[in-house]
Amino acid sequence: GAGVSQTPSNKVTEKGKYVELRCDPISGHTALYWYRQSLGQGPEFLIYFQGTGAADDSGLPNDRFFAVRPEGSVSTLKIQRTERGDSAVYLCASSSDSKNTGELFFGEGSRLTVL
Amino acid sequence: GNSVTQMEGPVTLSEEAFLTINCTYTATGYPSLFWYVQYPGEGLQLLLKATKADDKGSNKGFEATYRKETTSFHLEKGSVQVSDSAVYFCALITGTYKYIFGTGTRLKVLA
Repeated sequence: GAGVSQTPSNKVTEKGKYVELRCDPISGHTALYWYRQSLGQGPEFLIYFQGTGAADDSGLPNDRFFAVRPEGSVSTLKIQRTERGDSAVYLCASSSDSKNTGELFFGEGSRLTVL
Repeated sequence: GNSVTQMEGPVTLSEEAFLTINCTYTATGYPSLFWYVQYPGEGLQLLLKATKADDKGSNKGFEATYRKETTSFHLEKGSVQVSDSAVYFCALITGTYKYIFGTGTRLKVLA
């Protein structure tokens, strides 16, 4: 497709389980971001990839969160030992702007609910 | 640190009313400023942007002017439509890749 694709759109899991969220960015976009949006809040930065490498993972809340982008395209956000506080919408965005000062293209998000 | 403050919603207006959504920011350096919009069931999408002081961004009848003296980037539209009902996010970036978003303002336009 032409836009950023995220799967699953909804994920319900139990506390303590492992979860993977996938992002397929726009073809050719080298920059990829993960954000987390809690209810009533704006998106909060988690991690930024430029190509295959995580250029900045300072927004990941703790070591239960990890993200990869092995071939510089699709990215997976991995959450271990999920907690109820992890419930949120996880947004992926990509950009072709080499200076990263321009437009971000967002997916529709993956809504995670931890019971 | 850098931050964005938006007026709280929801904002409820009748069709053809004038809209203002306030946004102020705190930033080191010279940020670029953005308004993103999230329509129901869709991802965030760029509405307009301004990259330097006194620039005016505009799109779809919406406007916002980058005011350095008041550190503001208020969103305005002269005549809203039902189809403008959405959540609006003000955001900034200061020469790096890390966008900072406001908490969002929900707009509901009644026919």
